[in-house]
Amino acid sequence: AQSVTQLDSHVSVSEGTPVLLRCNYSSSYSPSLFWYVQHPNKGLQLLLKYTSAATLVKGINGFEAEFKKSETSFHLTKPSAHMSDAAEYFCVVKDTGNQFYFGTGTSLTVIP
Amino acid sequence: GAVVSQHPSRVICKSGTSVKIECRSLDFQATTMFWYRQFPKQSLMLMATSNEGSKATYEQGVEKDKFLINHASLTLSTLTVTSAHPEDSSFYICSAGVRQFRGQYFGAGTRLSVL
Repeated sequence: AQSVTQLDSHVSVSEGTPVLLRCNYSSSYSPSLFWYVQHPNKGLQLLLKYTSAATLVKGINGFEAEFKKSETSFHLTKPSAHMSDAAEYFCVVKDTGNQFYFGTGTSLTVIP
Repeated sequence: GAVVSQHPSRVICKSGTSVKIECRSLDFQATTMFWYRQFPKQSLMLMATSNEGSKATYEQGVEKDKFLINHASLTLSTLTVTSAHPEDSSFYICSAGVRQFRGQYFGAGTRLSVL
């Protein structure tokens, strides 16, 4: 069975400092992993996806995530937070049957 | 990139009325469409999966007669909330999947408020 755990429900960082949003997954197979961002009153936007290619995945807006099979993790990082990064972030795992499993989300606050 | 249009973005209705939400894939044919519901402070919950021309597959606990899903073509799926009540107020999001793509394209969502 697949599942996704986002370890922090809320993360607060100062503008210009690094961002780390943690995600651990469990999967019986080699999974596809995604990070989505949702800004207030907006739909989900795909940040990046891992599909068994390079373990370090670069996404939009300076975000990247590293797939670590030994740790079953897919943490999202960004070197320098911007005010516009304040949003809800979802880690998602997809199984071979095209079923998506969402984490509970991490709310990112960026302090000026 | 692929675009999924969801309409309306926001709807306010009286209790007892029905509301229809449309989800269209604008520049591709979606073999599968998904409907999600997001409760406040919670993650998305998959409500149902629909394939063009066949009946939708509902997740456990989702009332089929209350949330009617129609997937009439490869570019359009609709969700009708029948006899809406205040507890149906939520954020509903559709997404469209393409068989060869290991991901989904999401609509912008619909905020439903039932008075």
